[in-house]
Amino acid sequence: DPKIIQKPKYLVAVTGSEKILICEQYLGHNAMYWYRQSAKKPLEFMFSYSYQKLMDNQTASSRFQPQSSKKNHLDLQITALKPDDSATYFCASSQEGQAYEQYFGPGTRLTVL
Amino acid sequence: QQKVQQSPESLIVPEGGMASLNCTSSDRNVDYFWWYRQHSGKSPKMLMSIFSNGEKEEGRFTVHLNKASLHTSLHIRDSQPSDSALYLCAAPASNTDKVVFGTGTRLQVLP
Repeated sequence: DPKIIQKPKYLVAVTGSEKILICEQYLGHNAMYWYRQSAKKPLEFMFSYSYQKLMDNQTASSRFQPQSSKKNHLDLQITALKPDDSATYFCASSQEGQAYEQYFGPGTRLTVL
Repeated sequence: QQKVQQSPESLIVPEGGMASLNCTSSDRNVDYFWWYRQHSGKSPKMLMSIFSNGEKEEGRFTVHLNKASLHTSLHIRDSQPSDSALYLCAAPASNTDKVVFGTGTRLQVLP
């Protein structure tokens, strides 16, 4: 059974629209993260949450908003989508904090037309 | 802003050969690293971590760490075609909760 679920697996959106990427982890971890990976850039840290609180935000744009409704959920809302937002978005979790191994979900591949 | 530099960018080795990958952090406070492996179309998965100076071996994989030079290396002996993947080095960023990943080394093992 998958321990980290990301939905959807693939997503196509039009420029200017809004989408929500879903992430749920069943590892019992207290920390969750979002990363972005594209062909042009390496795996890029976006957000970290610990016990449902935002710990670090490295995303310059307010168009990206994480949402944590439950301890094991960390969704990512993206508004006013741009073609440059096209990438694979990975959710990850760890036991607690930066020093622990991170487990990655399968990713959501977003294409913005 | 902290950078994690990896070399080489790509590497081709024959099956059974030795692959050596390098990684350096620009943050002088870094004192541990992780190595992740990402097969094509898949998500990264941690391969090894190293927290102490010196060497750590797990099967065909050996990791070295030199804290003074902020350098780590990953060596894969008896490389197999299934080892073909993107290898990512990662280090913690000081004073944040962030983990910084390098751009990766793409390894191809030819049968």
